[in-house]
Parts: sequence; C-alpha cells; structure tokens
Amino acid sequence: EPEVTQTPSHQVTQMGQEVILRCVPISNHLYFYWYRQILGQKVEFLVSFYNNEISEKSEIFDDQFSVERPDGSNFTLKIRSTKLEDSAMYFCASSNPALSGGRTDTQYFGPGTRLTVL
Amino acid sequence: AQSVAQPEDQVNVAEGNPLTVKCTYSVSGNPYLFWYVQYPNRGLQFLLKYITGDNLVKGSYGFEAEFNKSQTSFHLKKPSALVSDSALYFCAVRPFSGTYKYIFGTGTRLKVLA
Repeated sequence: EPEVTQTPSHQVTQMGQEVILRCVPISNHLYFYWYRQILGQKVEFLVSFYNNEISEKSEIFDDQFSVERPDGSNFTLKIRSTKLEDSAMYFCASSNPALSGGRTDTQYFGPGTRLTVL
Repeated sequence: AQSVAQPEDQVNVAEGNPLTVKCTYSVSGNPYLFWYVQYPNRGLQFLLKYITGDNLVKGSYGFEAEFNKSQTSFHLKKPSALVSDSALYFCAVRPFSGTYKYIFGTGTRLKVLA
C-alpha cells in the first residue's frame, strides 16, 4: 500500500539555523499538507498546498516558514532561523479528493520528522 | 472558535472488553469527522471517517464510530479490545466549508490490559 514518507526521522539543529524537512507524498495525490505536534500537545495545521501554490495557511505559518514542491515527487518545508519553540514533530500529509468521489478527502500522514532545536 | 475535544487523556480497558474513546466537536455546519491512531514512532494512521449517511461507520481493525449530531459527538468504539490496540487515538474534524485543513483533538491514550 502506498505511503507518505518523510526524511530525516530526526533532525537536530542549532537555534538560528535553517532546516529543510522532506516529504514524498503518495504519487497520485494532489493536495499536500504540513502539520506539527509539539510534545504533549495536539496536532496543529500549518499549511496546505495545491497546484504549486499555498491554498491555506495557519497563523503559525509566518515568514519563517516556506514550502516547495521542487520536483514531481518531493514536498519540502523550510524553516529559516529556527527557534527553540520550533522543536516539534512535523507531519506531512497528502490527499486526493477525487479518490473519495470528490466529496471529501482522507489525508494520509507520514511518520513524521522530529525536529530538535538546541 | 472551531475545536475538537477529547475529554480523557487516557482510557484503560481490559482485553476482551468493549472500549469507547470519546470525541466532541464544535464547528459550524456539517463537518467531516475522522479518527486516526498513532503507534510509537509511527505516523497517524487513518481508521475511519464520517461524511454523511448512517450514523454508525465502520473502519479498520474492527473499530467503529457513532456520529451523534445533537450531542456533536463522534465516539470511537470497539466491541472487544486487544492488547495490540494500545496506542494514541486522535479525533479530527474537517469543517465543511471552504477548507481542507483538519482540526485535531489532543489525543487519548488507550491502554488495553492483558
């Protein structure tokens, strides 16, 4: 069964550094998402991406963050100048509403990248 | 504000007993509702969803959930728990109008005791 994959599984960085988290969505999916989960807290939506542009973003997703689909398979989240509070598990997800008859989509999540900012 | 509540941080149940993991939501309109499970060091795995129709929906691994519009609830159930069901369970809502984002609850840790 196709899966969303994410690399690396764990990223440790120094405060102020830039990190890029990588995701390979399911191949016939069209919508891509990033969520994050701070330790012990709920999963929070960051951004959705469709047709090579951001379709929706949360208030968390400020100028520090950017997303890109650099080729036909990868979807990346870049965090510039990381802060201590960026430490979290970051989940990538993908979906294709057409596979659900267009009524709604089911988002399929990757295993996550644990980001630790020191 | 739109929100999802999972009132129990942890639920303990004996193996073979029925289990219920509670979820209530507060969104306008008719939302789409989902349950996901997270095993250690794994991502969120889709269990089931409610869009419309029968209030009782069946999903993976013998789980089912009951949608109750008047109580704005979507409780996850299983008739007979297994030790292997022990995991973290998340309820999520996609508000019907104009967004694909999910709003998650805080998660409930299910512990099935042998």
